[in-house]
Amino acid sequence: GAVVSQHPSRVICKSGTSVKIECRSLDFQATTMFWYRQFPKQSLMLMATSNEGSKATYEQGVEKDKFLINHASLTLSTLTVTSAHPEDSSFYICSARDRQLGGLNYYEQYFGPGTRLTVT
Amino acid sequence: DQQVKQNSPSLSVQEGRISILNCDYTNSMFDYFLWYKKYPAEGPTFLISISSIKDKNEDGRFTVFLNKSAKHLSLHIVPSQPGDSAVYFCAASSLILGNAGGTSYGKLTFGQGTILTVHP
Repeated sequence: GAVVSQHPSRVICKSGTSVKIECRSLDFQATTMFWYRQFPKQSLMLMATSNEGSKATYEQGVEKDKFLINHASLTLSTLTVTSAHPEDSSFYICSARDRQLGGLNYYEQYFGPGTRLTVT
Repeated sequence: DQQVKQNSPSLSVQEGRISILNCDYTNSMFDYFLWYKKYPAEGPTFLISISSIKDKNEDGRFTVFLNKSAKHLSLHIVPSQPGDSAVYFCAASSLILGNAGGTSYGKLTFGQGTILTVHP
């Protein structure tokens, strides 16, 4: 159980175009999904928290107009990188929290396999 | 401001011996800690966690120790196996901080990761 998928796993796009990444919880409902970014040999940096049916909460320094997040259902969140530039090239990972879990299990996040974005 | 730190970028251990991965944190509001394992080009997978009300949690070959006064936690893997070779991230969360503004979302703050290599 607790499987999170991401699509696509790898994408190459030209500078100035937009790219959409999907994150799905396959066997559970996720009221909250998180989007992270990881640079080579660095930690996972939280970009934003996505709550179903409401606006995403962005971390300081993350441009909300550039990284559009939509969490339209309990099993799907999307991240759209708009007008992508080479510096946006990175490994993007989503995670989801199972709405059924309570107590201390509330903290546990299940991660997707990640999406490698390369902007040329 | 790196609130969760893993000061050892890498660790090399012989198969069958103990692996000890360390993590320090600075924010005393953190009350739940998790360890994740990550392979290249994949999302992190949850390993083990510990609440601040405990000082030890054990699950098979994995044991996490928490020293609140020192703001330090460690992950012990005994015996180490070649398949344990991966990047290990510690993460911390705070129900209190997550409740700021009335929104509890259990945000995780990750350390930089430690690359563990277990030699046959």
